[in-house]
Amino acid sequence: NAGVTQTPKFQVLKTGQSMTLQCAQDMNHNSMYWYRQDPGMGLRLIYYSASEGTTDKGEVPNGYNVSRLNKREFSLRLESAAPSQTSVYFCASRARGGETQYFGPGTRLLVL
Amino acid sequence: AQSVTQPDIHITVSEGASLELRCNYSYGATPYLFWYVQSPGQGLQLLLKYFSGDTLVQGIKGFEAEFKRSQSSFNLRKPSVHWSDAAEYFCAVAPAGTASKLTFGTGTRLQVTL
Repeated sequence: NAGVTQTPKFQVLKTGQSMTLQCAQDMNHNSMYWYRQDPGMGLRLIYYSASEGTTDKGEVPNGYNVSRLNKREFSLRLESAAPSQTSVYFCASRARGGETQYFGPGTRLLVL
Repeated sequence: AQSVTQPDIHITVSEGASLELRCNYSYGATPYLFWYVQSPGQGLQLLLKYFSGDTLVQGIKGFEAEFKRSQSSFNLRKPSVHWSDAAEYFCAVAPAGTASKLTFGTGTRLQVTL
């Protein structure tokens, strides 16, 4: 039982490049989330998926798209990366009716 | 909109000393309250949570937190800090009845001196 896994662990992009951050959970959770963490700002919600087939915007969705591929996987895509998207990205999941979000180890992204 | 304030950006304590990390929230009703810990280079781990009932909640690693409705606070405490407690601590809130949308504070970085 690996919990929540994220790939890659670290990525460097040039401005304008695209990439997809992958997240998977093996806990049969319904809800999944993408956050970004910036110094002095805590974690901010980018997008979430309450269940397979649904996605909703969070606090800071601009510049991102998401796909809930199946119950296990929730990906975050940057179509045209910008330096302002340099951050640490965390994926989380939560069981239906559950009270706790479980976090992955994070992806550190640097956009030059 | 709900918000969370952690007024201390950085705290340094000696090993064996007591610890209190402050958290204040702004919300219309009593929300769900959480404390998470993030060790360097790691994801977030839940320390404890409060939904209702006893206002003093116990968590993992010897941590506890007390909910004070009158002060809109949910401070985290530990009687005796260990060097391994050095990490960043986040307070978070969610609307009562759901843990769906967490709002995080900006975090407090704890340094432990030997």
